[in-house]
Amino acid sequence: NAGVMQNPRHLVRRRGQEARLRCSPMKGHSHVYWYRQLPEEGLKFMVYLQKENIIDESGMPKERFSAEFPKEGPSILRIQQVVRGDSAAYFCASSPPVPDRKNIQYFGAGTRLSVL
Amino acid sequence: QQQVKQSPQSLIVQKGGISIINCAYENTAFDYFPWYQQFPGKGPALLIAIRPDVSEKKEGRFTISFNKSAKQFSLHIMDSQPGDSATYFCAATGGGGSNYKLTFGKGTLLTVNP
Repeated sequence: NAGVMQNPRHLVRRRGQEARLRCSPMKGHSHVYWYRQLPEEGLKFMVYLQKENIIDESGMPKERFSAEFPKEGPSILRIQQVVRGDSAAYFCASSPPVPDRKNIQYFGAGTRLSVL
Repeated sequence: QQQVKQSPQSLIVQKGGISIINCAYENTAFDYFPWYQQFPGKGPALLIAIRPDVSEKKEGRFTISFNKSAKQFSLHIMDSQPGDSATYFCAATGGGGSNYKLTFGKGTLLTVNP
């Protein structure tokens, strides 16, 4: 039973390029969350998605960032025209279809994005 | 605005000692307080969690103490082992239908010397 899978593990982009981060949730999970961890900071919530729906994107920067979770395939976090300040670790988490009050989220190993 | 403040930033403990990490929160709507453990190159993993209707929860060598009136909670690791060396994050969630949105502290890097 594979856990949350993220790829790539490391991604290097030059300023102005696009970054695509992928997340496959745990088997049977249909809720996906993206968090960003800046150096020396805790994880910050970005977006919560269910299949084909964005439930809460209150933590997403207003420009250049987008996320999707299609009916088939992994969830994608897309960053257009990356800048150096986008360098961070991006973590994806997933939870079962009917989260209980605990709403335990299972995290992937993250994608470390470096913008040159 | 940082809603969950965590201290210390780093901690060094001898094997067999007690590690204590503290967190304070501001949002009184929070109703679920998990602790996550993160090893280098890995994602955070849930370690233990507590709700504010209890003052303490123990699982093995790990104990959460919760003080609702002070809006503080802490993680105690008894008989600390070198394998416990990791970064620990406290978190909080709940209230207003957004029980999925984890708010994390900045983390504590724990080093347990042999």
